[in-house]
Amino acid sequence: GDSVTQMEGPVTLSEEAFLTINCTYTATGYPSLFWYVQYPGEGLQLLLKATKADDKGSNKGFEATYRKETTSFHLEKGSVQVSDSAVYFCALPRGSARQLTFGSGTQLTVLP
Amino acid sequence: DTAVSQTPKYLVTQMGNDKSIKCEQNLGHDTMYWYKQDSKKFLKIMFSYNNKELIINETVPNRFSPKSPDKAHLNLHINSLELGDSAVYFCASSQTSVYEQYFGPGTRLTVT
Repeated sequence: GDSVTQMEGPVTLSEEAFLTINCTYTATGYPSLFWYVQYPGEGLQLLLKATKADDKGSNKGFEATYRKETTSFHLEKGSVQVSDSAVYFCALPRGSARQLTFGSGTQLTVLP
Repeated sequence: DTAVSQTPKYLVTQMGNDKSIKCEQNLGHDTMYWYKQDSKKFLKIMFSYNNKELIINETVPNRFSPKSPDKAHLNLHINSLELGDSAVYFCASSQTSVYEQYFGPGTRLTVT
């Protein structure tokens, strides 16, 4: 069935470092792809999305490009801040009920 | 204005008790969900309701019973609580035509 695989965490970076969090997917066709972020003590929020192959989603300095050749949707940010410390989830929809399947989550900690 | 709200935010109770968690959304969405997040941040969908009808019922113990009195509310009742039920429970909502889900702040359930 459709699924996403996320890079294992946790990830610890210094402020202003470059961030990549890997996400690969297995799916029939070309579903929309999502990145959600969960800040400490909060629920998940949609960070960005891409609805078709070669689309680039972007928000708050984060970017992810939908690459069908490598079935990937890696999350990147050029210069992370302490406030980016959170858990990041890759997700794709599956089923006629339009539920989302989430990856295992990647904990990011940014140190000052 | 809060989009998806849950009460209570924290719930501490003893094994064997029965408890309920309430969820309300003011986004006008027609689909609502319950998720369970374990201590490793893994998210598992439990139930989904569309227009007050149950459409997703993943393999969860029948001690868990969702109830949707109207499209804006989805409550979760748990009977005979067990230690393994300790987790954070998230409510979410979406509109049928789109996949993006909006999450509540979560209810941290601790069973002692």
